[in-house]
Amino acid sequence: NAGVTQTPKFQVLKTGQSMTLQCAQDMNHEYMSWYRQDPGMGLRLIHYSVGAGITDQGEVPNGYNVSRSTTEDFPLRLLSAAPSQTSVYFCASSYSPTVNTEAFFGQGTRLTVV
Amino acid sequence: GESVGLHLPTLSVQEGDNSIINCAYSNSASDYFIWYKQESGKGPQFIIDIRSNMDKRQGQRVTVLLNKTVKHLSLQIAATQPGDSAVYFCAENIGNAGNMLTFGGGTRLMVKP
Repeated sequence: NAGVTQTPKFQVLKTGQSMTLQCAQDMNHEYMSWYRQDPGMGLRLIHYSVGAGITDQGEVPNGYNVSRSTTEDFPLRLLSAAPSQTSVYFCASSYSPTVNTEAFFGQGTRLTVV
Repeated sequence: GESVGLHLPTLSVQEGDNSIINCAYSNSASDYFIWYKQESGKGPQFIIDIRSNMDKRQGQRVTVLLNKTVKHLSLQIAATQPGDSAVYFCAENIGNAGNMLTFGGGTRLMVKP
């Protein structure tokens, strides 16, 4: 059981480039979310999804797009990367969006925008 | 090396001692709280959770205490081991969508052998 898998683990982008951070889970979880973690800070919610076809904005959504075409995958897209988006990105999933349950996190993607 | 956790409050304890990590949460309407452990280069790992209708919950070597009056959460680790060295985050549930979590800033625990 792989859990939550994020790719790539590391990425360097030039300002203005676009890219997609991949996240996949094999636990049949309904709820998936993306967080960013900056030095000395806790995780901040970017976008989340309560099920396939449904997405919504979190605390810091600007500059990011998401889609949820399947239960398993929840990609995060940066349309035009900016240095302020340099961060470590974590994807998380949990069984249900309506009952408080443990969230499982991926290993993270370290993104640097130069 | 891992840059997450720079400038975090640090708790340094001797191996075998008990550790207490504190967290103040912000939303009096929060009804679910989780403690996560994050080791260098890894994602957060669930330790223990507690719902707002409880004030104490125990796990293996860990205890979480919740004081809703002052909006305070603590994590107690008994007989701290070198493997407990990590950054610890508390998180509170903030949304009606179930698992929208707001994370605290984190505390770095360093265990001295």
